[in-house]
Amino acid sequence: DAGVIQSPRHEVTEMGQEVTLRCKPISGHDYLFWYRQTMMRGLELLIYFNNNVPIDDSGMPEDRFSAKMPNASFSTLKIQPSEPRDSAVYFCASSLRRGPYNEQFFGPGTRLTVL
Amino acid sequence: DQQVKQNSPSLSVQEGRISILNCDYTNSMFDYFLWYKKYPAEGPTFLISISSIKDKNEDGRFTVFLNKSAKHLSLHIVPSQPGDSAVYFCAALTQGGSEKLVFGKGMKLTVNP
Repeated sequence: DAGVIQSPRHEVTEMGQEVTLRCKPISGHDYLFWYRQTMMRGLELLIYFNNNVPIDDSGMPEDRFSAKMPNASFSTLKIQPSEPRDSAVYFCASSLRRGPYNEQFFGPGTRLTVL
Repeated sequence: DQQVKQNSPSLSVQEGRISILNCDYTNSMFDYFLWYKKYPAEGPTFLISISSIKDKNEDGRFTVFLNKSAKHLSLHIVPSQPGDSAVYFCAALTQGGSEKLVFGKGMKLTVNP
C-alpha cells in the first residue's frame, strides 16, 4: 500500500507569493495531521483533522496559514502571503483510531524555501 | 515553552556499543510516550512507545525506560548499528481523546563503523 503522499517535495518561492502544499493520506485513515519542522522549534503540530473536520488548529502560526480537507483522500495547507520565516519542512501524517494511542504515519515532507 | 525536551542535539557512538538517548518532559498530564526515527529526506517513522503505567518496554535492540517521578525517559539501543544513524524524536501524548503529539526537537545519532 502506498504511504502518505505529499507534493511537491520541494518548493522555492518568493516572499509574498501563495504556496499550496498537498497531502494524500493513507486510505482508510481517519486522522490527518500537518506538522512543520524547523531547527529552532523542532517538529510542531499545526493542525489536525478527524473525518475531514478540523479538530485543533491551535498550532497554526497566524492567519496567513490555512488548511482544508475537502474529502478523505486529500488535504491542502496554504500560506498566503508567504514570508522567509515560513521556510521549513512541512510534514503530513495520517492515522487510524483503533485505541488509546494510534501510530501516525508520516509522508516524506515538503521542503519550502521562501526567498 | 518546550514541554518535551531533548537537551543533547547529537550523539556519536561506536558500532556494537550502547546508545542512550534522553528525553525530559514538563507536563505531568502526559501519559504515553513515543520515539520516532527520521532518516534524511524521509518522514519520521514510529520506533517504540511506552505507557505511563509501565517503566520499561523492549522491542529487539530497542528499550525505552520511563521514570515518571523524574519526568524522564530514555531510549537504549544495544548493540548500535550504522543503520541506526538518524535523528530520533521523543514525543508525548495525553490520552483521553486527543491525538495531539508533542515532539522534542530531536537528537542526531551517529553510529560509527
